[in-house]
Amino acid sequence: DAGVTQSPTHLIKTRGQHVTLRCSPISGHKSVSWYQQVLGQGPQFIFQYYEKEERGRGNFPDRFSARQFPNYSSELNVNALLLGDSALYLCASSLGSALRNFGQGTRLTVV
Amino acid sequence: AQSVTQPDIHITVSEGASLELRCNYSYGATPYLFWYVQSPGQGLQLLLKYFSGDTLVQGIKGFEAEFKRSQSSFNLRKPSVHWSDAAEYFCAVADNNNDMRFGAGTRLTVKP
Repeated sequence: DAGVTQSPTHLIKTRGQHVTLRCSPISGHKSVSWYQQVLGQGPQFIFQYYEKEERGRGNFPDRFSARQFPNYSSELNVNALLLGDSALYLCASSLGSALRNFGQGTRLTVV
Repeated sequence: AQSVTQPDIHITVSEGASLELRCNYSYGATPYLFWYVQSPGQGLQLLLKYFSGDTLVQGIKGFEAEFKRSQSSFNLRKPSVHWSDAAEYFCAVADNNNDMRFGAGTRLTVKP
């Protein structure tokens, strides 16, 4: 069975640009969560979506947005990139419980 | 809101020695508790979880953890560490709304 897949695996962007990260959940999972992990720190919660509706939002600026599609895949968008947005972005899917399955992440570098 | 504290930033143990990684949480009700492991540049792999029931939880790779409500702790243990266990370990807590929070992590180094 395919696990949670994220794309791209790595990318480099310039300050001020926009980026879109993608996540495909495990088949049958209707909930997707996004986390930002800055080097040397634990993951920080950004968003949770369930059945295409936002169920939770962490303490991130409005430059961060997300959506979930009818097939339950999800996109995380970040506008006006800052150097501090450089991080590993993790996506996790679940059946709706607290148990999450994590993808391998997208490493974003902002220069 | 719930929070997680992992007091040890970095731990070094010799291969074959026992291991205990500490985790303390703050949450008003009975939380859902997790331990994840992360190798450099990789995602998070679930080692074990506690939802309810027996407070001693067995996980993969020979790890176990014990939920102690009186101490608000969920420490991870392994009787004999292998070199391949070197990684970053994260404790996490989730509430009924499935809001999951992570600790800052403990980096484990294994000496030969």
